[in-house]
Amino acid sequence: GAGVSQSPSNKVTEKGKDVELRCDPISGHTALYWYRQSLGQGLEFLIYFQGNSAPDKSGLPSDRFSAERTGGSVSTLTIQRTQQEDSAVYLCASSLWGSSYNEQFFGPGTRLTVL
Amino acid sequence: GQNIDQPTEMTATEGAIVQINCTYQTSGFNGLFWYQQHAGEAPTFLSYNVLDGLEEKGRFSSFLSRSKGYSYLLLKELQMKDSASYLCAVRDEPGNYQLIWGAGTKLIIKP
Repeated sequence: GAGVSQSPSNKVTEKGKDVELRCDPISGHTALYWYRQSLGQGLEFLIYFQGNSAPDKSGLPSDRFSAERTGGSVSTLTIQRTQQEDSAVYLCASSLWGSSYNEQFFGPGTRLTVL
Repeated sequence: GQNIDQPTEMTATEGAIVQINCTYQTSGFNGLFWYQQHAGEAPTFLSYNVLDGLEEKGRFSSFLSRSKGYSYLLLKELQMKDSASYLCAVRDEPGNYQLIWGAGTKLIIKP
């Protein structure tokens, strides 16, 4: 596909369970970002990958959150022992180094609901 | 600290013009972005300013004043489909992929 894709689109889980969210960036994009957006709020930065460099994890809210990016492409965001406050839309974006603006292209998001 | 301010919500009439302001206080500046986000959808790129002045793109224009730490997005000939949130974001350093995001302005268009 031409755009960023994410799966699942919706995830409902019980408190204490682990969840994995997947992001497929635009082919060839070197940078990948994860954000969290609560209802009616702005974007909260979580983590960023750039090529083979060590990821910037400065936005991860706790050690229950982790992410990896395999082969410089697909990324998985894992939330362990989910809590109700983790409920939000998780957005993934990618960008291409050297493009005119380095603008970020967003996926449709995963809506996570923790019961 | 890093901070971006936008009005929380604005209302305008179909066919009219609306200006959405954004002010920023960041450690550096290397470009300002405007994104549009319809309810339940992902943000989409609208405009980018790195030099002072006005950038026009169809019905949408974006203005930047670096000395004032200020930008605005101007929407003309408003249509009902323009009802959305508009997010302002700043890149604070060259080569920095990360952006500092405002909370967004929810624009409501009335007939």
